[in-house]
Amino acid sequence: EPEVTQTPSHQVTQMGQEVILRCVPISNHLYFYWYRQILGQKVEFLVSFYNNEISEKSEIFDDQFSVERPDGSNFTLKIRSTKLEDSAMYFCASIPSTDTQYFGPGTRLTVL
Amino acid sequence: AQSVTQLGSHVSVSEGALVLLRCNYSSSVPPYLFWYVQYPNQGLQLLLKYTTGATLVKGINGFEAEFKKSETSFHLTKPSAHMSDAAEYFCAVRDTGTASKLTFGTGTRLQVTL
Repeated sequence: EPEVTQTPSHQVTQMGQEVILRCVPISNHLYFYWYRQILGQKVEFLVSFYNNEISEKSEIFDDQFSVERPDGSNFTLKIRSTKLEDSAMYFCASIPSTDTQYFGPGTRLTVL
Repeated sequence: AQSVTQLGSHVSVSEGALVLLRCNYSSSVPPYLFWYVQYPNQGLQLLLKYTTGATLVKGINGFEAEFKKSETSFHLTKPSAHMSDAAEYFCAVRDTGTASKLTFGTGTRLQVTL
């Protein structure tokens, strides 16, 4: 069964550094999402992406964040200058058109 | 704006006992409703969903949930808990519009004891 994959599984970085989190959505899916989960808290929506542009973003998704689909398979989340509060699990999700979102296993980001 | 309330951040049941995890939603229009499960150090796995049609939906691992519009609820149940059911369970809601985002509840950690 096709799966959403994410790399790396764990990223440790210093405050102020740039990080890129990578996702490979399921191949025939059209809509892509990033969510995050701070330890012990609920999963929060960050951004959705369709047809090579952002379709919706949350208040969390400020100028420090950007998303890109650089080729036909990858979907990336970049954080330009990481803060301590960016430490979280980041989940990528995708859907074919409507209905169920399929989630990847997540990338745990630790900012020191 | 949509919101989801999960009553009880921690629920403990004995193996073989009924599991009941509560979820209430707030939405201006009838939404789509989901339950996801998260095992330790893993991602989110879909348990079941309600979109249209029958209000009692069955999912994986023996779980089911009933959409009750009058109560704005979507409680998750399983007749007999198993040790392997220990995990975090998230209720989520989304608009019926194309590809809308999910709004999650705060989650309920299910503990299963012998």
